[in-house]
Amino acid sequence: GESVGLHLPTLSVQEGDNSIINCAYSNSASDYFIWYKQESGKGPQFIIDIRSNMDKRQGQRVTVLLNKTVKHLSLQIAATQPGDSAVYFCAETEEDGNKLVFGAGTILRVKS
Amino acid sequence: KAGVTQTPRYLIKTRGQQVTLSCSPISGHRSVSWYQQTPGQGLQFLFEYFSETQRNKGNFPGRFSGRQFSNSRSEMNVSTLELGDSALYLCASSFTWGSYEQYFGPGTRLTVT
Repeated sequence: GESVGLHLPTLSVQEGDNSIINCAYSNSASDYFIWYKQESGKGPQFIIDIRSNMDKRQGQRVTVLLNKTVKHLSLQIAATQPGDSAVYFCAETEEDGNKLVFGAGTILRVKS
Repeated sequence: KAGVTQTPRYLIKTRGQQVTLSCSPISGHRSVSWYQQTPGQGLQFLFEYFSETQRNKGNFPGRFSGRQFSNSRSEMNVSTLELGDSALYLCASSFTWGSYEQYFGPGTRLTVT
């Protein structure tokens, strides 16, 4: 079936540095992409989203980039803080409903 | 405004038993989706309910079922539990069907022994 992402890599960054988390998706019909953050013992928390007709969207300290040519999504976190330590998931959905297809996730560890 | 609540938070069941999990969406939200999270398979979509009707379904066996009540609260049921059903079951609510912005609850950790 369709899938988003492949592995569960770990990214370790120094506090204050910028982080880039990557995600590959396979469904070219996907219309909407979302990044979620999941802290230990909690459910995923919505961070930022982007529609397929855009290639960049910025939020507070976060930027999402979408490259439809190579089906790649990235999340950039500026000035990474210890509170950013979590598992980050990308998700995609087509336009016909709420069904989200999640990637495997990336563990972000922030070193103080 | 209160977030999505799920009960119970932790549950231990024996293989062959059945289990019912409950989810209360954010006040005013009418769509509820359920996901299963395991280390091996990640987050997988189970089903979605809106206005007491199942609108979408993932690739899970018929042992997994759900329903939604008129107050938008939802339950999911798993019958004839298998060891592989051990997982974190997450509920997400959104304002309406077709809304991509979903708010997740803390999940119910189910352990099947």
